[in-house]
Amino acid sequence: SQQGEEDPQALSIQEGENATMNCSYKTSINNLQWYRQNSGRGLVHLILIRSNEREKHSGRLRVTLDTSKKSSSLLITASRAADTASYFCATDEGAGNMLTFGGGTRLMVKP
Amino acid sequence: EAGVAQSPRYKIIEKRQSVAFWCNPISGHATLYWYQQILGQGPKLLIQFQNNGVVDDSQLPKDRFSAERLKGVDSTLKIQPAKLEDSAVYLCASSLHQGASGYTFGSGTRLTVV
Repeated sequence: SQQGEEDPQALSIQEGENATMNCSYKTSINNLQWYRQNSGRGLVHLILIRSNEREKHSGRLRVTLDTSKKSSSLLITASRAADTASYFCATDEGAGNMLTFGGGTRLMVKP
Repeated sequence: EAGVAQSPRYKIIEKRQSVAFWCNPISGHATLYWYQQILGQGPKLLIQFQNNGVVDDSQLPKDRFSAERLKGVDSTLKIQPAKLEDSAVYLCASSLHQGASGYTFGSGTRLTVV
């Protein structure tokens, strides 16, 4: 079963615009991570936010976490065509630190 | 640092045949994971190893799937016999230890069962 659910499932924007993706989950977590996957490739780790953190930045990425609402968002600012990919949230949960992925958001950035 | 190596890159087999995938994690990474990713979906964890021991295999279809990591380094995932619904990308990932920040994924093996 999938813990996280991303919204929207697909997003199409123009280069230079900001892209926001949301993730909701169901159970308590140790941390939440975001990954990017280019077509036909493996996943690349983008950013990790711990359960006691509320916001984190990395370059053009901004992640927020609201544990009371069991939700997270990923903001990509000033998007580029190279940002075109699928983005997945993944929750690290339990004593075994299992990572459970959502269904992903497919982002297309048009040049 | 070398990444997670997987082979083969692609595999096409007929249903009821067997297939094996190989993974070489990043040197020193104690934890290794196998994920199944069906087209259009997120990855689903099949099995998690800590060194050469199984941490979780609750979602591994044990009637047809098996995995091992005998020396705590390389790992193989086997399907026998394959079904049409096993068509997917099989991703291997490793991390320094459980709870380490972020996993490193290999490029995956794309399996097509016809």
